[in-house]
Amino acid sequence: DAGVIQSPRHEVTEMGQEVTLRCKLISGHNSLFWYRQTMMRGLELLIYFNNNVPIDDSGMPEDRFSAKMPNASFSTLKIQPSEPRDSAVYFCASSFGGLSNQPQHFGDGTRLSIL
Amino acid sequence: GDSVTQMEGPVTLSEEAFLTINCTYTATGYPSLFWYVQYPGEGLQLLLKATKADDKGSNKGFEATYRKETTSFHLEKGSVQVSDSAVYFCALSGDSGGGADGLTFGKGTHLIIQP
Repeated sequence: DAGVIQSPRHEVTEMGQEVTLRCKLISGHNSLFWYRQTMMRGLELLIYFNNNVPIDDSGMPEDRFSAKMPNASFSTLKIQPSEPRDSAVYFCASSFGGLSNQPQHFGDGTRLSIL
Repeated sequence: GDSVTQMEGPVTLSEEAFLTINCTYTATGYPSLFWYVQYPGEGLQLLLKATKADDKGSNKGFEATYRKETTSFHLEKGSVQVSDSAVYFCALSGDSGGGADGLTFGKGTHLIIQP
């Protein structure tokens, strides 16, 4: 079975540009999580969805960040405008069943560099 | 809020040595506990989990026991291999009343196994 698929794997862009990160969930999973990983702050939860509905976006850094689930199997994380401090590895993860004891399955991440 | 504390390392061991990576947590209610492993350039992979007190999670020779009295979930392996070299993350999923919840991660422990 295909795992969580993220694209692009690497993104380099200049500050001020719009960046869109994409994530395809594992078929049948109904919870979706976006995380950011940096050396300084480690892994941080940005936002998560259950059944396409955003449940907690308190980890989203600023209004420049937005996330959507246009359908049950796909999500986007958008940064507009981007800033150098947004440089990080962004992971999405999905899980099944909508329960906190279910493991999350991670994609390979998008390494974002804002110049 | 919830938090996870783990030794950051790097931890350097010789092949076939005994491994312990300490993890303690702070959380309300009855969280689920996880160990994830991250290899270079990849996403996180679930190593093992425990969802209630005194449960023992195990996988690939690794074990961890959910100790509510000491709020700990230490990772152990009796004989490590070079292929175990990676970064290990302890994480918890909060007891939010039944719904899926984001993970709170420790800072990660970089493990290096020398031949």
